[in-house]
Amino acid sequence: GQSLEQPSEVTAVEGAIVQINCTYQTSGFYGLSWYQQHDGGAPTFLSYNALDGLEETGRFSSFLSRSDSYGYLLLQELQMKDSASYFCAVQGSNYQLIWGAGTKLIIKP
Amino acid sequence: NAGVTQTPKFQVLKTGQSMTLQCAQDMNHNSMYWYRQDPGMGLRLIYYSASEGTTDKGEVPNGYNVSRLNKREFSLRLESAAPSQTSVYFCASSEVPAYGYTFGSGTRLTVV
Repeated sequence: GQSLEQPSEVTAVEGAIVQINCTYQTSGFYGLSWYQQHDGGAPTFLSYNALDGLEETGRFSSFLSRSDSYGYLLLQELQMKDSASYFCAVQGSNYQLIWGAGTKLIIKP
Repeated sequence: NAGVTQTPKFQVLKTGQSMTLQCAQDMNHNSMYWYRQDPGMGLRLIYYSASEGTTDKGEVPNGYNVSRLNKREFSLRLESAAPSQTSVYFCASSEVPAYGYTFGSGTRLTVV
């Protein structure tokens, strides 16, 4: 079967760094995406990794290791507005994205 | 620049009623999608349209139908609503399949 695993909840302190992991098992792989969703809002696209390595976009970075079927999202200099759910999603061998169940990031002052 | 517009934002239906959720995008994207999201869960694909004139089933298509009216519009129809279809529905679009989705603000549907 196809599945993605990510922690259900992560807690961090404002100003700190947090890493949200995602492991996947899919038939076919074309890329790993990350999306952010605030409570009551719509998901918004954060990043996409098709190749191994680190992609950096401001305070957010995303990493992929295809050999380990693993990726992570790294958030630096955490701000209260980063409190949200974060979803990893894998592009499989068809047009469909396979989504993880999401990680709720709780940030404490 | 509206992005993806969904209507309605909220809807309450009685079991057995029908309704159509509307979605339109103004980004000239080729691909469009309908998802449902249940509390504490990820997104599950209902139907998608890789390009104008094509539609395909996703993970949970039962009880739904779709129409890709033109490049801009992709509607989702519930023919006979059931309580199990209570959910938040999101429409999304992308220039290329499965990359860089833009989502609408969602439709919160309750079936009683």
